Amino acid sequence: KAGVTQTPRYLIKTRGQQVTLSCSPISGHRSVSWYQQTPGQGLQFLFEYFSETQRNKGNFPGRFSGRQFSNSRSEMNVSTLELGDSALYLCASRASTGPDTQYFGPGTRLTVL
Amino acid sequence: DQQVKQNSPSLSVQEGRISILNCDYTNSMFDYFLWYKKYPAEGPTFLISISSIKDKNEDGRFTVFLNKSAKHLSLHIVPSQPGDSAVYFCAASGTGTASKLTFGTGTRLQVTL
Repeated sequence: KAGVTQTPRYLIKTRGQQVTLSCSPISGHRSVSWYQQTPGQGLQFLFEYFSETQRNKGNFPGRFSGRQFSNSRSEMNVSTLELGDSALYLCASRASTGPDTQYFGPGTRLTVL
Repeated sequence: DQQVKQNSPSLSVQEGRISILNCDYTNSMFDYFLWYKKYPAEGPTFLISISSIKDKNEDGRFTVFLNKSAKHLSLHIVPSQPGDSAVYFCAASGTGTASKLTFGTGTRLQVTL
């Protein structure tokens, strides 16, 4: 089975712009979660989508949003980019909604100038 | 409030010896624990998990031990190999928020020849 894929792998934006990141989960996985990794804050949970519905949300401002499509692919959008949004954005998928292993993609490295 | 702590930022072990990575948690609602291995600019790779109903789980060279009363888990790697050199994260999730993994700050393991 193919793993979790994320596009693009690298992105450079300027402050004030918006960005959309894409994630394709492992085939058959219906849950997709997003995480942000920064040197200062470590790995932090952004939100989870299951069957096109947001099920859980972390402590991030409303500039961070997401959606999931009927084929389980997910997108994450960040509007009005700030310098502090520079990070590695990771997507993870899992098969069920209960305690289950999350499998991560390679991430998208976002740099905000 | 760091709910999952890895107090050793780094660990150096000789090839062939045992590596022991430790993790402490404070949230008694956590009931599922995972260990991930990560290289820079890549997504975390799942290693092994354990449910709170168990106190030990083995998979090849990797064994995870869970001490619920002490809110402590550890990952043993035997024997350690140079390819094990990476940053190791422990993560935890709780009932009802299984998608939200709370990560520790990571321990950098270096396996020397």
